[in-house]
Amino acid sequence: ETGVTQTPRHLVMGMTNKKSLKCEQHLGHNAMYWYKQSAKKPLELMFVYNFKEQTENNSVPSRFSPECPNSSHLFLHLHTLQPEDSALYLCASSQDATETQYFGPGTRLLVL
Amino acid sequence: DAKTTQPPSMDCAEGRAANLPCNHSTISGNEYVYWYRQIHSQGPQYIIHGLKNNETNEMASLIITEDRKSSTLILPHATLRDTAVYYCIRWETSGSRLTFGEGTQLTVNP
Repeated sequence: ETGVTQTPRHLVMGMTNKKSLKCEQHLGHNAMYWYKQSAKKPLELMFVYNFKEQTENNSVPSRFSPECPNSSHLFLHLHTLQPEDSALYLCASSQDATETQYFGPGTRLLVL
Repeated sequence: DAKTTQPPSMDCAEGRAANLPCNHSTISGNEYVYWYRQIHSQGPQYIIHGLKNNETNEMASLIITEDRKSSTLILPHATLRDTAVYYCIRWETSGSRLTFGEGTQLTVNP
């Protein structure tokens, strides 16, 4: 499925690097989400954007900085990450924040 | 937390129906039952959802008991590509938070 795309698919970064994850949805949705899935753990919601406005921040450390310039694009800016931040980062979108969410393929992040 | 209970693992023979149970005995009247699946290291894939009535789409059928305390996801003719972790989720659509549990690892065997 190509409704929600994420780039890059894999990323290796050092703790002092700055990188960004990109998510794009082609479904005409108005809500977008970032989730984190660490090894052998359930998905954890990080951020919610509805009509470009952040409506939820699930106590995420400030080294993760989201950006939603429009309803089709969502970024996650990363800086000074820790090895324990290594995980699969998933983007999702929905028509609005009350509708079914559709996920992208994820970015596998490794922090060295 | 909105909790559901699923068996940690199940096996199914290729071509047979896979019936995945889910217990949600404390579900409230305005909570839907959603099913997603996640194939190894990929994003979760939406399968189906329902409130009270049984539902069917091109992927699966969802059978919800009359008291809504449990449900069963049915994959009518399982294939090897259906091997995945299946998540049963209670979701009140007034909130945006989907809470994923541990799910059921379904293995379809040839």
